[in-house]
Amino acid sequence: QKEVEQNSGPLSVPEGAIASLNCTYSDRGSQSFFWYRQYSGKSPELIMFIYSNGDKEDGRFTAQLNKASQYVSLLIRDSQPSDSATYLCAVNAPSGSARQLTFGSGTQLTVLP
Amino acid sequence: ETGVTQTPRHLVMGMTNKKSLKCEQHLGHNAMYWYKQSAKKPLELMFVYSLEERVENNSVPSRFSPECPNSSHLFLHLHTLQPEDSALYLCASSQDLGLAGGYTQYFGPGTRLTVL
Repeated sequence: QKEVEQNSGPLSVPEGAIASLNCTYSDRGSQSFFWYRQYSGKSPELIMFIYSNGDKEDGRFTAQLNKASQYVSLLIRDSQPSDSATYLCAVNAPSGSARQLTFGSGTQLTVLP
Repeated sequence: ETGVTQTPRHLVMGMTNKKSLKCEQHLGHNAMYWYKQSAKKPLELMFVYSLEERVENNSVPSRFSPECPNSSHLFLHLHTLQPEDSALYLCASSQDLGLAGGYTQYFGPGTRLTVL
């Protein structure tokens, strides 16, 4: 069983729509959750992080965390073609080492003009 | 320079070569990391350093040898690599290891390594 799972996609949405990216994790003791965006050929860049159950909003991005369901999502409102990238979910792994982030394989998002 | 820098950006080497990757962070962070990113696979953590001390070594083959001379610099020495070692090697840094809660890692641009 993968520790952090994401749908690989590709996920396509039209410009202006809401893109919904999902991530599940296996370690119930995980405490911190991160979303990174990675453009093709580039390094990951942090979009946002969330620690507490519920929603956290930052501009067009909303992270949602449900620890009971071991589920974290990222919503992108008013999607733009420039949002087309691979989105990586990362979870800290206290059962192995609190120092580690475990990454999912990423979801490729394409926003169609 | 700002953020996390890596050199070289691209590297092609033969299996008998010895080369080194360099990472430098300008963020005043205390922790640094090496990751390997292969096509269609998740980022794989290789090494973690905190205040120049190695705290994680994730069963990485000995042909990869890290070095952290100070909290701003991190090297990855490479020797007798295999073609399957071809990948994007990413360096990251964070303020600390954040054992009690979350910590944010900032990535460098990576070194695209090709082993012939």
